[in-house]
Amino acid sequence: GAVVSQHPSRVICKSGTSVKIECRSLDFQATTMFWYRQFPKKSLMLMATSNEGSKATYEQGVEKDKFLINHASLTLSTLTVTSAHPEDSSFYICSARVRTGGSEAFFGQGTRLTVV
Amino acid sequence: AQTVTQSQPEMSVQEAETVTLSCTYDTSESDYYLFWYKQPPSRQMILVIRQEAYKQQNATENRFSVNFQKAAKSFSLKISDSQLGDAAMYFCAYRSWGYGGSQGNLIFGKGTKLSVKP
Repeated sequence: GAVVSQHPSRVICKSGTSVKIECRSLDFQATTMFWYRQFPKKSLMLMATSNEGSKATYEQGVEKDKFLINHASLTLSTLTVTSAHPEDSSFYICSARVRTGGSEAFFGQGTRLTVV
Repeated sequence: AQTVTQSQPEMSVQEAETVTLSCTYDTSESDYYLFWYKQPPSRQMILVIRQEAYKQQNATENRFSVNFQKAAKSFSLKISDSQLGDAAMYFCAYRSWGYGGSQGNLIFGKGTKLSVKP
């Protein structure tokens, strides 16, 4: 099956610094990637939709200047949390949709971000 | 806008028994997909089963089956012969049929935490 690799799996950073999370589709081309945030014991909340070669579409309430998304190729999307604050601490998950269609989205392993 | 509701925050089942997790959804679309995802403690999302709305036959994957009632907008998951490894959070999810823009995004329910007792 298709594999999505998300890196890093865990990261701790200081307040005010920036953190980059990578999401790679290893064996398929992903036209679209999705970034989710999951609070403890909660569901996944869509943050943004990332389309290759174009600007990301952010959900209402998500700060585009804080959560920078870049989808430079068909196999890589990155989420950069800028000027991180403790309230940005969360679990971030990416998923990718196969370019040629199909119903399934494939998920990365997730990244636990802790801002201290 | 589409919504997905899971009314059971937690469920418990005895090993080897059968359990059913409930899911209802709301949509005005006629074509769509429905999914059940499993999220174990590792937090990796794992697809359990999928159903295309145009198919009348209920999807089945080994011990996992669904009861899809399109008119009632209901999509329950039945786990037969429950195993200890089935313990996890289970999310019901909806996806529109199209591919343009943000279509293809999954809309998740709040999840049901399943415990399996030995």
